[in-house]
Amino acid sequence: DVKVTQSSRYLVKRTGEKVFLECVQDMDHENMFWYRQDPGLGLRLIYFSYDVKMKEKGDIPEGYSVSREKKERFSLILESASTNQTSMYLCASSLQGAVYNEQFFGPGTRLTVL
Amino acid sequence: RKEVEQDPGPFNVPEGATVAFNCTYSNSASQSFFWYRQDCRKEPKLLMSVYSSGNEDGRFTAQLNRASQYISLLIRDSKLSDSATYLCVVNLDTGRRALTFGSGTRLQVQP
Repeated sequence: DVKVTQSSRYLVKRTGEKVFLECVQDMDHENMFWYRQDPGLGLRLIYFSYDVKMKEKGDIPEGYSVSREKKERFSLILESASTNQTSMYLCASSLQGAVYNEQFFGPGTRLTVL
Repeated sequence: RKEVEQDPGPFNVPEGATVAFNCTYSNSASQSFFWYRQDCRKEPKLLMSVYSSGNEDGRFTAQLNRASQYISLLIRDSKLSDSATYLCVVNLDTGRRALTFGSGTRLQVQP
Protein backbone atom coordinates (compact mmCIF):
# COMPACT_ATOMS: atom_id res chain seq x y z
CA ASP A 1 0.00 0.00 0.00
CA VAL A 2 1.30 3.42 -0.96
CA LYS A 3 1.67 5.59 2.04
CA VAL A 4 2.13 9.33 2.16
CA THR A 5 2.44 10.79 5.62
CA GLN A 6 2.44 14.39 6.77
CA SER A 7 4.06 15.52 9.99
CA SER A 8 0.99 17.11 11.57
CA ARG A 9 -2.77 16.93 11.08
CA TYR A 10 -3.39 20.27 12.79
CA LEU A 11 -1.02 23.16 13.33
CA VAL A 12 -1.53 26.61 14.85
CA LYS A 13 1.12 29.27 14.30
CA ARG A 14 1.46 33.00 14.79
CA THR A 15 1.94 35.61 12.10
CA GLY A 16 5.61 35.97 11.19
CA GLU A 17 6.67 32.53 12.38
CA LYS A 18 8.65 30.22 10.12
CA VAL A 19 6.64 27.06 9.51
CA PHE A 20 7.86 23.67 8.28
CA LEU A 21 5.48 21.09 6.84
CA GLU A 22 7.00 17.68 6.25
CA CYS A 23 5.87 14.99 3.82
CA VAL A 24 7.26 11.47 3.52
CA GLN A 25 6.34 8.76 1.00
CA ASP A 26 7.39 5.15 1.16
CA MET A 27 6.92 4.01 -2.45
CA ASP A 28 10.08 5.34 -4.07
CA HIS A 29 8.08 7.85 -6.15
CA GLU A 30 10.06 10.37 -8.14
CA ASN A 31 7.40 13.08 -8.17
CA MET A 32 6.20 14.96 -5.13
CA PHE A 33 3.77 17.85 -4.89
CA TRP A 34 2.48 20.40 -2.41
CA TYR A 35 -1.06 21.79 -2.76
CA ARG A 36 -3.27 23.97 -0.68
CA GLN A 37 -7.03 23.47 -0.66
CA ASP A 38 -9.48 26.26 0.09
CA PRO A 39 -13.30 26.24 -0.17
CA GLY A 40 -14.47 27.18 -3.65
CA LEU A 41 -10.92 27.28 -5.01
CA GLY A 42 -10.09 23.59 -5.07
CA LEU A 43 -6.54 22.30 -4.92
CA ARG A 44 -3.91 24.75 -6.05
CA LEU A 45 -0.36 23.65 -6.77
CA ILE A 46 2.31 25.44 -4.74
CA TYR A 47 5.51 23.60 -5.73
CA PHE A 48 6.49 20.26 -7.15
CA SER A 49 9.63 18.20 -7.53
CA TYR A 50 10.68 15.54 -10.04
CA ASP A 51 13.90 14.55 -8.39
CA VAL A 52 16.09 15.09 -5.39
CA LYS A 53 17.22 18.71 -5.07
CA MET A 54 14.98 19.66 -7.97
CA LYS A 55 11.93 21.92 -7.63
CA GLU A 56 9.55 23.83 -9.85
CA LYS A 57 7.07 26.55 -9.03
CA GLY A 58 3.41 25.77 -9.24
CA ASP A 59 0.56 28.24 -9.55
CA ILE A 60 0.91 29.98 -6.19
CA PRO A 61 4.53 29.80 -4.96
CA GLU A 62 4.67 33.26 -3.38
CA GLY A 63 5.43 33.11 0.33
CA TYR A 64 6.53 29.47 0.17
CA SER A 65 9.71 27.54 -0.46
CA VAL A 66 10.47 23.82 -0.60
CA SER A 67 13.28 21.42 0.05
CA ARG A 68 13.92 17.94 -1.28
CA GLU A 69 17.18 16.57 0.07
CA LYS A 70 16.08 12.92 -0.03
CA LYS A 71 13.83 11.15 -2.49
CA GLU A 72 11.23 10.17 0.07
CA ARG A 73 10.90 13.57 1.77
CA PHE A 74 9.51 16.87 0.50
CA SER A 75 9.27 19.83 2.86
CA LEU A 76 7.17 22.96 2.48
CA ILE A 77 8.43 26.08 4.24
CA LEU A 78 6.45 29.20 5.03
CA GLU A 79 9.20 31.76 5.52
CA SER A 80 7.02 34.21 7.45
CA ALA A 81 3.53 32.90 8.03
CA SER A 82 0.61 35.20 7.31
CA THR A 83 -3.09 34.86 8.03
CA ASN A 84 -3.89 34.35 4.35
CA GLN A 85 -1.85 31.15 4.48
CA THR A 86 -4.43 29.59 6.77
CA SER A 87 -5.50 26.56 4.74
CA MET A 88 -5.45 22.79 4.30
CA TYR A 89 -2.10 21.68 2.90
CA LEU A 90 -1.92 18.42 0.98
CA CYS A 91 1.18 16.58 -0.13
CA ALA A 92 1.09 14.04 -2.97
CA SER A 93 3.48 11.72 -4.76
CA SER A 94 3.45 9.80 -8.03
CA LEU A 95 5.64 7.66 -10.23
CA GLN A 96 7.38 9.40 -13.05
CA GLY A 97 6.56 8.27 -16.56
CA ALA A 98 5.39 9.19 -20.02
CA VAL A 99 1.78 9.46 -18.91
CA TYR A 100 0.37 11.14 -15.87
CA ASN A 101 0.36 8.62 -13.12
CA GLU A 102 -2.00 8.45 -10.19
CA GLN A 103 -1.18 10.92 -7.43
CA PHE A 104 -1.34 9.54 -3.90
CA PHE A 105 -2.17 12.09 -1.26
CA GLY A 106 -1.30 12.41 2.37
CA PRO A 107 -4.02 13.08 4.97
CA GLY A 108 -3.38 16.82 4.95
CA THR A 109 -2.26 19.41 7.48
CA ARG A 110 -4.79 22.01 8.55
CA LEU A 111 -2.74 25.12 9.29
CA THR A 112 -4.18 28.08 11.15
CA VAL A 113 -2.14 31.29 11.30
CA LEU A 114 -3.26 33.69 14.00
CA ARG B 1 -12.79 31.94 -16.56
CA LYS B 2 -11.43 29.06 -14.51
CA GLU B 3 -9.14 26.65 -16.34
CA VAL B 4 -11.08 23.65 -15.04
CA GLU B 5 -14.66 24.40 -14.12
CA GLN B 6 -17.21 22.34 -12.24
CA ASP B 7 -20.68 22.95 -10.84
CA PRO B 8 -20.09 22.93 -7.07
CA GLY B 9 -23.52 21.43 -6.34
CA PRO B 10 -24.60 19.97 -4.04
CA PHE B 11 -26.42 17.38 -6.08
CA ASN B 12 -28.96 15.77 -3.75
CA VAL B 13 -30.25 12.49 -5.18
CA PRO B 14 -32.14 9.51 -3.75
CA GLU B 15 -30.54 6.09 -3.50
CA GLY B 16 -30.78 4.24 -6.79
CA ALA B 17 -30.83 7.37 -8.91
CA THR B 18 -28.56 8.06 -11.86
CA VAL B 19 -26.57 11.28 -11.64
CA ALA B 20 -24.15 12.95 -14.03
CA PHE B 21 -21.54 15.66 -13.57
CA ASN B 22 -19.78 17.65 -16.24
CA CYS B 23 -16.48 19.47 -16.13
CA THR B 24 -15.21 21.94 -18.72
CA TYR B 25 -11.55 22.69 -19.40
CA SER B 26 -9.96 25.66 -21.10
CA ASN B 27 -7.13 24.24 -23.21
CA SER B 28 -8.10 22.26 -26.29
CA ALA B 29 -4.62 20.67 -26.33
CA SER B 30 -5.17 18.96 -22.96
CA GLN B 31 -4.26 15.28 -23.10
CA SER B 32 -4.91 13.67 -19.72
CA PHE B 33 -8.14 13.62 -17.74
CA PHE B 34 -9.14 12.07 -14.44
CA TRP B 35 -11.87 11.97 -11.84
CA TYR B 36 -10.80 11.93 -8.20
CA ARG B 37 -13.08 11.40 -5.23
CA GLN B 38 -12.70 13.23 -1.92
CA ASP B 39 -14.65 12.19 1.14
CA CYS B 40 -15.39 14.77 3.81
CA ARG B 41 -12.21 15.66 5.73
CA LYS B 42 -10.18 13.11 3.77
CA GLU B 43 -7.59 13.26 1.03
CA PRO B 44 -8.48 12.93 -2.68
CA LYS B 45 -8.18 9.49 -4.25
CA LEU B 46 -8.19 8.51 -7.90
CA LEU B 47 -11.60 7.27 -9.02
CA MET B 48 -10.88 6.71 -12.69
CA SER B 49 -8.96 7.97 -15.68
CA VAL B 50 -10.91 9.27 -18.67
CA TYR B 51 -9.96 7.90 -22.06
CA SER B 52 -10.85 9.24 -25.48
CA SER B 53 -13.10 6.27 -26.16
CA GLY B 54 -14.82 6.59 -22.79
CA ASN B 55 -14.52 4.03 -20.04
CA GLU B 56 -16.65 2.24 -17.52
CA ASP B 57 -15.91 0.82 -14.11
CA GLY B 58 -18.92 -0.87 -12.57
CA ARG B 59 -21.56 1.78 -11.92
CA PHE B 60 -19.27 4.60 -13.05
CA THR B 61 -18.86 5.80 -16.63
CA ALA B 62 -16.50 8.55 -17.72
CA GLN B 63 -16.58 10.24 -21.10
CA LEU B 64 -14.55 12.84 -22.93
CA ASN B 65 -15.94 15.32 -25.45
CA ARG B 66 -12.98 17.04 -27.08
CA ALA B 67 -15.04 19.15 -29.46
CA SER B 68 -16.88 20.82 -26.58
CA GLN B 69 -13.96 20.52 -24.15
CA TYR B 70 -15.69 18.74 -21.33
CA ILE B 71 -15.54 15.45 -19.47
CA SER B 72 -18.41 13.78 -17.71
CA LEU B 73 -18.95 11.29 -14.92
CA LEU B 74 -22.10 9.20 -14.76
CA ILE B 75 -23.02 7.27 -11.64
CA ARG B 76 -25.78 4.67 -11.93
CA ASP B 77 -27.73 3.14 -9.06
CA SER B 78 -26.36 5.64 -6.54
CA LYS B 79 -25.40 4.31 -3.10
CA LEU B 80 -25.22 6.20 0.16
CA SER B 81 -21.47 5.53 0.09
CA ASP B 82 -21.16 7.52 -3.15
CA SER B 83 -21.70 10.72 -1.15
CA ALA B 84 -18.49 12.68 -1.63
CA THR B 85 -16.95 15.50 -3.62
CA TYR B 86 -15.87 14.57 -7.15
CA LEU B 87 -12.85 16.42 -8.49
CA CYS B 88 -12.22 16.87 -12.19
CA VAL B 89 -8.49 16.80 -12.96
CA VAL B 90 -6.83 17.81 -16.22
CA ASN B 91 -3.35 18.18 -17.58
CA LEU B 92 -3.74 21.49 -19.36
CA ASP B 93 -0.65 20.84 -21.48
CA THR B 94 0.91 24.18 -20.66
CA GLY B 95 4.39 22.70 -20.99
CA ARG B 96 4.43 21.82 -17.33
CA ARG B 97 4.16 18.26 -16.07
CA ALA B 98 1.47 18.95 -13.53
CA LEU B 99 -2.26 18.52 -13.16
CA THR B 100 -4.94 21.13 -12.58
CA PHE B 101 -7.76 20.28 -10.19
CA GLY B 102 -11.29 21.59 -10.41
CA SER B 103 -12.90 22.78 -7.21
CA GLY B 104 -15.20 19.77 -7.10
CA THR B 105 -18.86 18.80 -7.31
CA ARG B 106 -20.49 17.65 -4.10
CA LEU B 107 -22.85 14.68 -4.25
CA GLN B 108 -25.20 13.78 -1.42
CA VAL B 109 -27.10 10.53 -1.83
CA GLN B 110 -30.12 10.35 0.44
CA PRO B 111 -31.95 7.29 1.76
